[in-house]
Amino acid sequence: GAGVSQSPSNKVTEKGKDVELRCDPISGHTALYWYRQSLGQGLEFLIYFQGNSAPDKSGLPSDRFSAERTGGSVSTLTIQRTQQEDSAVYLCASRTGDTPYQETQYFGPGTRLLVL
Amino acid sequence: AQTVTQSQPEMSVQEAETVTLSCTYDTSENNYYLFWYKQPPSRQMILVIRQEAYKQQNATENRFSVNFQKAAKSFSLKISDSQLGDTAMYFCASTTSGTYKYIFGTGTRLKVLA
Repeated sequence: GAGVSQSPSNKVTEKGKDVELRCDPISGHTALYWYRQSLGQGLEFLIYFQGNSAPDKSGLPSDRFSAERTGGSVSTLTIQRTQQEDSAVYLCASRTGDTPYQETQYFGPGTRLLVL
Repeated sequence: AQTVTQSQPEMSVQEAETVTLSCTYDTSENNYYLFWYKQPPSRQMILVIRQEAYKQQNATENRFSVNFQKAAKSFSLKISDSQLGDTAMYFCASTTSGTYKYIFGTGTRLKVLA
């Protein structure tokens, strides 16, 4: 596709259940980011991938959060034993990865997660 | 440490008028880029405009322009001839050479009034 896609668009789950969020970056983009946007807040950095490697996982809020990327393309963000405070919009972004600070990130439409 | 501050949580403007959104940043780097992103109710973040720090000329994109004051570390966004479709959350962001991290401000919610 032409842009970054994310699925599902919306997810409602019960507290304690696990969820998987998917991001499909722009073809050829080697750099991929996950952000969390809580209601009325800015973007909170979660994790960054360069290819399949995640050199910076420092933004993951707890060990319940994990992410992986395979084949240098699709990434999944997994939240185990979800809590109500995990409710937020999870945004994925990608860029080409050639020259970090010169590049524009392109965002997906996000997944809105609601934990009941 | 790199920081981005947006001090206006909400703003409104009449259709066809001009509005300026403020952003200040802090960095010790010389090479950095600044961005304004728009997030409409659809949630899709869209790049509005970007500015390279080494360029003195302010970036412009149609009705959108920036006032980049490097010494003051200020990067404001001016929207001319505001349209109803400009209603959105606007985020200021920065990134510096040698890092992959993009730092975002907390956003300004802009409402264009008919």
